[in-house]
Amino acid sequence: KAGVTQTPRYLIKTRGQQVTLSCSPISGHRSVSWYQQTPGQGLQFLFEYFSETQRNKGNFPGRFSGRQFSNSRSEMNVSTLELGDSALYLCASAGETSNYGYTFGSGTRLTVV
Amino acid sequence: AQSVTQPDIHITVSEGASLELRCNYSYGATPYLFWYVQSPGQGLQLLLKYFSGDTLVQGIKGFEAEFKRSQSSFNLRKPSVHWSDAAEYFCAVAPTSGTYKYIFGTGTRLKVLA
Repeated sequence: KAGVTQTPRYLIKTRGQQVTLSCSPISGHRSVSWYQQTPGQGLQFLFEYFSETQRNKGNFPGRFSGRQFSNSRSEMNVSTLELGDSALYLCASAGETSNYGYTFGSGTRLTVV
Repeated sequence: AQSVTQPDIHITVSEGASLELRCNYSYGATPYLFWYVQSPGQGLQLLLKYFSGDTLVQGIKGFEAEFKRSQSSFNLRKPSVHWSDAAEYFCAVAPTSGTYKYIFGTGTRLKVLA
């Protein structure tokens, strides 16, 4: 079956702009989570969506937001981009009833200049 | 505070040698435990997981990990490393409540010498 698909793979944006990243989970997975990966901070949890509802949220400013659609596809949005937002953004999907482990996408590499 | 510690940032081993990557965690109760591997420019792939029961778990690619409750550790091992194992390895913990909010370690980068 198809894996987790993230688009686009690469993005270059200018400070102050906003960006939207997309994630299509594995078919049947209703939980979608987002992580930010940077060399300095490592992997940090952004948020998790389940059945269109945000179920968990990490410690990120309100500039970072997300949503999930009825088909479980998810988007995350970052507004007013800062240089420090440059990172690999990873989406992961999982089943609904237990922690069997995420399946990660290949990520979107965001560069803010 | 909840945390995951991977004390080795870099490890270099020769091909065919054995490997052990260390992971210690600090958590309120015994969490679910995972090891993931990441190749350059890629996402993370699940190697193995521990939920309960047998403390020695087998994973993909010949990896295994042992959970030691008394030491709050979940070390990853492989008896004979292959050049293709060169990657970054992440230990992670998750709550047993069924929700997904993982805490990852900072990773160990493995280099394999031919």
